[in-house]
Amino acid sequence: IAGITQAPTSQILAAGRRMTLRCTQDMRHNAMYWYRQDLGLGLRLIHYSNTAGTTGKGEVPDGYSVSRANTDDFPLTLASAVPSQTSVYFCASRNPGEACGELFFGEGSRLTVL
Amino acid sequence: DQQVKQNSPSLSVQEGRISILNCDYTNSMFDYFLWYKKYPAEGPTFLISISSIKDKNEDGRFTVFLNKSAKHLSLHIVPSQPGDSAVYFCAAIITGTASKLTFGTGTRLQVTL
Repeated sequence: IAGITQAPTSQILAAGRRMTLRCTQDMRHNAMYWYRQDLGLGLRLIHYSNTAGTTGKGEVPDGYSVSRANTDDFPLTLASAVPSQTSVYFCASRNPGEACGELFFGEGSRLTVL
Repeated sequence: DQQVKQNSPSLSVQEGRISILNCDYTNSMFDYFLWYKKYPAEGPTFLISISSIKDKNEDGRFTVFLNKSAKHLSLHIVPSQPGDSAVYFCAAIITGTASKLTFGTGTRLQVTL
């Protein structure tokens, strides 16, 4: 089934540890995004990539990094996790060839930092 | 600064009645608006959208209304069904190939029997 796959679905992590959330899409969408969802704050953009080889910062990029080596993969790395990074993380993609193209989301990765 | 706001964190509606979810925005450059629906433990899914050149878009039980002068949009669900119980996110975008969606904080809709 075409779509976005995120891994892991859930993870408990000690503060200070490094963590990479994986995201893979098979829709050949150029643009990919990482959002975090927090109660009362909605979905906030962390980082994005408009095409392979390029990345950009969203609203809340501090403490996170991304890479986009190819079209399909867009991993999100927390170099040294802190409890405020406890959240549900969603990867999304869209085809920017459609200027109003909707976002397709993965199922989410629930991260708890203790 | 929250450019897209959903001031009602939750809403409870009886089955069969109308649900009205509201959204306000501050950036007059937004020219396309979308609603997403999210069930627990799932990713958000696209529901309906509207261009700023329109004031209404209808898709089955779902209708989105846009009032540009008030910078306000609303989602109407008629009739509401228990399966509509979810969190609804309003989103806005300035269209273009490098544009990004800005989301509201979400409204949790509970449709009761």
